[in-house]
Amino acid sequence: SQQGEEDPQALSIQEGENATMNCSYKTSINNLQWYRQNSGRGLVHLILIRSNEREKHSGRLRVTLDTSKKSSSLLITASRAADTASYFCATNRDDKIIFGKGTRLHILP
Amino acid sequence: EAEVAQSPRYKITEKSQAVAFWCDPISGHATLYWYRQILGQGPELLVQFQDESVVDDSQLPKDRFSAERLKGVDSTLKIQPAELGDSAMYLCASSSALAGIGEQFFGPGTRLTVL
Repeated sequence: SQQGEEDPQALSIQEGENATMNCSYKTSINNLQWYRQNSGRGLVHLILIRSNEREKHSGRLRVTLDTSKKSSSLLITASRAADTASYFCATNRDDKIIFGKGTRLHILP
Repeated sequence: EAEVAQSPRYKITEKSQAVAFWCDPISGHATLYWYRQILGQGPELLVQFQDESVVDDSQLPKDRFSAERLKGVDSTLKIQPAELGDSAMYLCASSSALAGIGEQFFGPGTRLTVL
C-alpha cells in the first residue's frame, strides 16, 4: 500500500532552473524523508523532516512540511545534469516506512 | 565510506526455480530491510529485522518467500519457486536507528528476471 504520492509523476526542466516536487499522504506521520534514485541503482537519503518541523535546508535542497494539509515539497535550486533521477518521499508512522511512487526528474542541457 | 553490499547484482532464472539474494549491512546497523521495487514504482517493504528478529513481515508472500538474519548481521532472502511476477529489483537497506527515526542506507540492489 502506498502512503505517499508524489506529484508530478515526471518533470523535465532546463539546467539551472529550480525543480519542485510534491508529496501528499493520508495519515498522520512521525517524520517524512526524501530519497533520490539514479537509474537502476539503490536509493540515497537526502533529507528527513520531523512532524514538528516546517522547513529544512540542505545545500541546494529545501523541504517543507505542512501537516495540516498532509503534504511536503522538495525544492532543488539551480538544477544540474547530475540531478536527473527519481525522487521518492517516504513517510514514517509508528515505525512503518512507506514509499511513494516517485517523481522522475530530467534535467535538460 | 561504509556501504551496504548485495549480491548478486543481476540474476536471471526460470520460473519454478529457487533464487537467493544476500545482503551485508553497514557494520553496527541493527535494523535491516528488504524491499521489492517494480519498475516505475517505489520500494515496497517485504521484511524488516531488528538484530536477528523479524519486526515486520506483513507484506512478505510467505508461501514462496523466506528471509533470515541468523546472527543479526548479514541476511538472505529466498524465493522458491520463482514466478514471472517476481521480476523486480530487490533492495536491501540498513539503519542504525529504530525504523523511521533515522535514514536508511541502501545497497545497489539485485535485478531479478524470471523467464
